[in-house]
This record gives sequence, structure tokens and C-alpha cells, in this order.
Amino acid sequence: AQSVAQPEDQVNVAEGNPLTVKCTYSVSGNPYLFWYVQYPNRGLQFLLKYITGDNLVKGSYGFEAEFNKSQTSFHLKKPSALVSDSALYFCAVRVLYGNNRLAFGKGNQVVVIP
Amino acid sequence: DTGVSQDPRHKITKRGQNVTFRCDPISEHNRLYWYRQTLGQGPEFLTYFQNEAQLEKSRLLSDRFSAERPKGSFSTLEIQRTEQGDSAMYLCASSRGLLAPREQYFGPGTRLTVT
Repeated sequence: AQSVAQPEDQVNVAEGNPLTVKCTYSVSGNPYLFWYVQYPNRGLQFLLKYITGDNLVKGSYGFEAEFNKSQTSFHLKKPSALVSDSALYFCAVRVLYGNNRLAFGKGNQVVVIP
Repeated sequence: DTGVSQDPRHKITKRGQNVTFRCDPISEHNRLYWYRQTLGQGPEFLTYFQNEAQLEKSRLLSDRFSAERPKGSFSTLEIQRTEQGDSAMYLCASSRGLLAPREQYFGPGTRLTVT
């Protein structure tokens, strides 16, 4: 079954420091991977996706993610974190033969400390 | 692109009552999804429509749950005889229906509290 794992519950980072949110995946076939962000009392917002091609994917709000096939990882990164990046981040994988539905990880709370 | 909208945003109901939620997807999106999210968890898939056809239902969707998308535009999710375990955030998402995996756009959700 297609699944993703987000091993950390919370990530604390000082403002201006690099931010990394980890995600590993387990899939049969080609992985189609996504990152979403959720702010309090708001729906999930799409950040970026990996379908094929370059292993480094650039997305919204200065975020990028690195696809690593050998390590089955798709870590989200931002070179310099902002306080406004404090939110809940979800990694997701498209379920094979699942009509494009997504299987989500449990999420990571990111806290950017001023 | 006005985004996905959901109504109501919050619903408090007593156990045993029926509730209905509405989702209006992005207008040109023919795929519509319902997910449920509980505290501390990621969204879990409930059901999926392509146009007006309901093509997949999760095992999470018991017989008390029913969803419709009558004209391939808005969708409703009804829960009959609500239980306290139904308390969750119900999310709707939509996407284009092309061959390449497309990102889904989510609405703000309907938070259901069953007392």
C-alpha cells in the first residue's frame, strides 16, 4: 500500500535558520508526492509536488523539496524560516489505482521562534 | 478561481441527529473528494466523485454516511444518526481530471462536534 511517514511530531527552528521537515514514502511503482501546509482554522494549501524529472522541486512561499529515490525520502526545505511559516505540514502520496486520492502522513507542527 | 468553499464552517449537533454538509468545488474541476481529519492526524479519504459519478468509497464510510454530487458541480455529505466518534473536520477537495497526477485544492473544512 502507498503510504508516507513523518517521523517527527514537532520541528522547532529559529527565525532565519534553515527549515527541514522530513518525509519518507513507501510505494509500488513511481511515487507521486505532495506537500501541503495547514494554518489554524484553514484548509490545506498546496505547496509543491514531485511527479518526475528534477529531484529538487520548487514550490510556493520559498519552499522546496528534495526527492531521494535511494532513501525513499521527500524532505521539505526552506533556506531561511520566517515566523509566519509556523504551521502544520503534511506530506502525501498519490494512491496507486486510487483515482488520484491522497494518503497523508500524520503531519508535523513547525514552530519558528523569533 | 474563487477556491473551494464549504458550508457550514462549524456544526454542533446532538448524538442521533442527522447533519448535511455542502462543498462547492473550483468551477472547472471535475474531480471532487471528501476527507475526514481528526486531531493530530492527517486527512483520511472518504469518497471521490468524477463529475456526478461516485467512483470510490472508503471503508471508513459506514452506511450512515452518504454523499452526492447531483449535477457534477456541488456535493453534499450527509451523516445520519450521528455518533460522538463522528466528531472531526470534514474536508472537501477538488482537482482537474487529467491523466497526470494533479494537486487537489482544499476547502476550509466543516468542523463537526457531536455532543
